[in-house]
Amino acid sequence: NAGVTQTPKFRILKIGQSMTLQCAQDMNHNYMYWYRQDPGMGLKLIYYSVGAGITDKGEVPNGYNVSRSTTEDFPLRLELAAPSQTSVYFCASSLIGIGVGSEQFFGPGTRLTVL
Amino acid sequence: AQTVTQSQPEMSVQEAETVTLSCTYDTSESDYYLFWYKQPPSRQMILVIRQEAYKQQNATENRFSVNFQKAAKSFSLKISDSQLGDAAMYFCAYRRSGGSNYKLTFGKGTLLTVNP
Repeated sequence: NAGVTQTPKFRILKIGQSMTLQCAQDMNHNYMYWYRQDPGMGLKLIYYSVGAGITDKGEVPNGYNVSRSTTEDFPLRLELAAPSQTSVYFCASSLIGIGVGSEQFFGPGTRLTVL
Repeated sequence: AQTVTQSQPEMSVQEAETVTLSCTYDTSESDYYLFWYKQPPSRQMILVIRQEAYKQQNATENRFSVNFQKAAKSFSLKISDSQLGDAAMYFCAYRRSGGSNYKLTFGKGTLLTVNP
């Protein structure tokens, strides 16, 4: 049971480039989330999904897109990278949204630098 | 909007001693969840303990316990018998109980150093 996995671990992008951050979980969790963590700050929610085919915006969605075609995978796409997107990105999952089983389990993170 | 404040950017403790990390939050909700997450240098976010607001009893997990004061909107974490492996950044987080927004609202974190 690998839990939540993320690839790549590190990436450097040039301004204007695009990339997809991969996230997968093998716990059969329905809910998945993308957060970003800027230096000296807590995590902020970018997007989340309550199940395959259903996604919704968090508090900082601008510049990102997501899709959820399967229960296991929840990729995050950056279309036109900007220096403001330099951050550490965390993917998380939970069995359900509220109540027992709603604890969010996090992946190891992807450190992204945009130059 | 909910906010979470951790007023101690850094704390240190001697190995085997006890340390308390502070967290306050602001919300108009009556039912919600509070969490403490640990982030070691590996960056992995690890859930330490959770507290449901409707429960008066403070949560405990082995050496970790909380002091939940709902009226004061305070949620502190006590680490007893501190170990070198406890050294990490600790984040306090809030999540509302109902509705469709499942986001966690995090504080800025407290960096805990454990001295041998």
